[in-house]
Amino acid sequence: KAGVTQTPRYLIKTRGQQVTLSCSPISGHRSVSWYQQTPGQGLQFLFEYFSETQRNKGNFPGRFSGRQFSNSRSEMNVSTLELGDSALYLCASSLQWSGTSGSYEQYFGPGTRLTVT
Amino acid sequence: KQEVTQIPAALSVPEGENLVLNCSFTDSAIYNLQWFRQDPGKGLTSLLLIQSSQREQTSGRLNASLDKSSGRSTLYIAASQPGDSATYLCAVDTGRRALTFGSGTRLQVQP
Repeated sequence: KAGVTQTPRYLIKTRGQQVTLSCSPISGHRSVSWYQQTPGQGLQFLFEYFSETQRNKGNFPGRFSGRQFSNSRSEMNVSTLELGDSALYLCASSLQWSGTSGSYEQYFGPGTRLTVT
Repeated sequence: KQEVTQIPAALSVPEGENLVLNCSFTDSAIYNLQWFRQDPGKGLTSLLLIQSSQREQTSGRLNASLDKSSGRSTLYIAASQPGDSATYLCAVDTGRRALTFGSGTRLQVQP
């Protein structure tokens, strides 16, 4: 079974631009979560999507947004890029979403390395 | 607010040694705790998931324990190998699927 895939793997953008990252979950997984990893802040939760609806959101500004399609693939968009947005963006997929009782393992993709200059 | 701490931040051991990585969390109301491995510049590989009702989980040379009441988890690696060199992260799920991660332990196993 294929794992979580993320495209592109590397991106270089300029301040003020916007960027869209893509994540395809493991087949059959319906929940997709996004995380930002930086050397200073570590791994931080951005948001979770399930059935094309945002279910949870972390403490990030509105410049960070996302969406999920009917095939569970998800995209994340960052507008008006700042230097501090340079990070490794990871997505994780899970069978069910956080509102479902029980505990479900999250599986992470390889990440997209975004550099803002 | 849940906080997760991992000690030590870095560890260097000779090949063959058994070792323990520590993880502590401040809020014991968790659904599960996951241990991950991250190689430099790469994504996270799930190693073990311990449900809140479980005390430990084992996979090959790895054993993870969970003591919810004291807010602690340990990852035991038996007979370490150079291929085990990576950063190990623990993360707790407080039920909203927003994992809270520790800052990781960077492990170097010397051949």
